[in-house]
Amino acid sequence: DAGVTQSPTHLIKTRGQHVTLRCSPISGHKSVSWYQQVLGQGPQFIFQYYEKEERGRGNFPDRFSARQFPNYSSELNVNALLLGDSALYLCASSLFWGGNEQFFGPGTRLTVL
Amino acid sequence: GIQVEQSPPDLILQEGANSTLRCNFSDSVNNLQWFHQNPWGQLINLFYIPSGTKQNGRLSATTVATERYSLLYISSSQTTDSGVYFCAVELNSGTYKYIFGTGTRLKVLA
Repeated sequence: DAGVTQSPTHLIKTRGQHVTLRCSPISGHKSVSWYQQVLGQGPQFIFQYYEKEERGRGNFPDRFSARQFPNYSSELNVNALLLGDSALYLCASSLFWGGNEQFFGPGTRLTVL
Repeated sequence: GIQVEQSPPDLILQEGANSTLRCNFSDSVNNLQWFHQNPWGQLINLFYIPSGTKQNGRLSATTVATERYSLLYISSSQTTDSGVYFCAVELNSGTYKYIFGTGTRLKVLA
């Protein structure tokens, strides 16, 4: 079975632009979480979705939004990009909402110029 | 909020040496995972260990939830063990989010 997949692998944007990142969870997994990892730090929680509903949100501005589709794939959207949004964006999937193991995708490396 | 501290922050070993990485957390948690992040950024699952002891080859881990710490043991280290090791704890506060530790950067020399 395929693991968690993310697209694109790399992305370069300029300040003020909008970006959409995509994630497909492991088959059978119903929960997707998004994390931001800036250079030299550990990943920071952004969102969790389960059964297409938002179940958790981290301390990120409203410029960040996400959604989950009926096939459990997910999109992370970031509006009005800032230089500080440059980071590795990681998607994790798990079977259920909580109390189970998370598996991470390879990430999307976003550079904002 | 919960604090998740890892020690040591940096570690340099000769190939074949053993090491112990520690993760301390300041509050009760639902779950705990250990990850190895390779140079390309991929987080590789090592252990899902809310409590007790597990072993996988040269690696083993122990979590003592009542005392709020977990240990990752690496024996007979290899150069491919180099990278950053993170522990992550899952909170049970209405939102089942994972909080990552500060990381241990390991370099194994040939």
